[in-house]
Amino acid sequence: NAGVTQTPKFQVLKTGQSMTLQCAQDMNHNSMYWYRQDPGMGLRLIYYSASEGTTDKGEVPNGYNVSRLNKREFSLRLESAAPSQTSVYFCASTGTSLNYGYTFGSGTRLTVV
Amino acid sequence: AQSVTQLDSHVSVSEGTPVLLRCNYSSSYSPSLFWYVQHPNKGLQLLLKYTSAATLVKGINGFEAEFKKSETSFHLTKPSAHMSDAAEYFCVVTLPGPDSNYQLIWGAGTKLIIKP
Repeated sequence: NAGVTQTPKFQVLKTGQSMTLQCAQDMNHNSMYWYRQDPGMGLRLIYYSASEGTTDKGEVPNGYNVSRLNKREFSLRLESAAPSQTSVYFCASTGTSLNYGYTFGSGTRLTVV
Repeated sequence: AQSVTQLDSHVSVSEGTPVLLRCNYSSSYSPSLFWYVQHPNKGLQLLLKYTSAATLVKGINGFEAEFKKSETSFHLTKPSAHMSDAAEYFCVVTLPGPDSNYQLIWGAGTKLIIKP
């Protein structure tokens, strides 16, 4: 089925460990996004990629890096995880017109202990 | 600055009664507005969108929303609630960004509780 695929679905990290969250879409969308969702705060944009080869900071980029590997894939890396990064992470994509809205992945639940 | 305010963090209604989830926005531009729904432990699904066409927008599962520019509102309604509507609902407004790319500004969410 067409859509956005995120891996892993769950992850527990120790403080200071690193990991990469993977995201891939098969809808030929230009733009891809990483959000984090925390209770009572809605979704906050971490980084986005308007097109292949470009990335830009969102609202809460500190502690994260991203790579737009190709048109399909957009990964999010935590170099040194902190408890404040415990959250649910969503990847999303959209085509050239925002009129279609975003398509979201099913999320990654990350706990940093 | 652009912002979205969902006026209620929780709304509780009885099954079969009307639903009203309120959303007000602030935007310097002509906005596009969306409602997304998130069922427990699930991802986000687009419910409906307003993109400068008809001001009354119909979405999935019997929901609709009306764009009222004079009131800067985009409230979500449904005539008769069903148990399966229990979820969290997010109101979203667009924010123009670089390279004609649009970012979304999210409301904090409203949890809809359906009483049997």
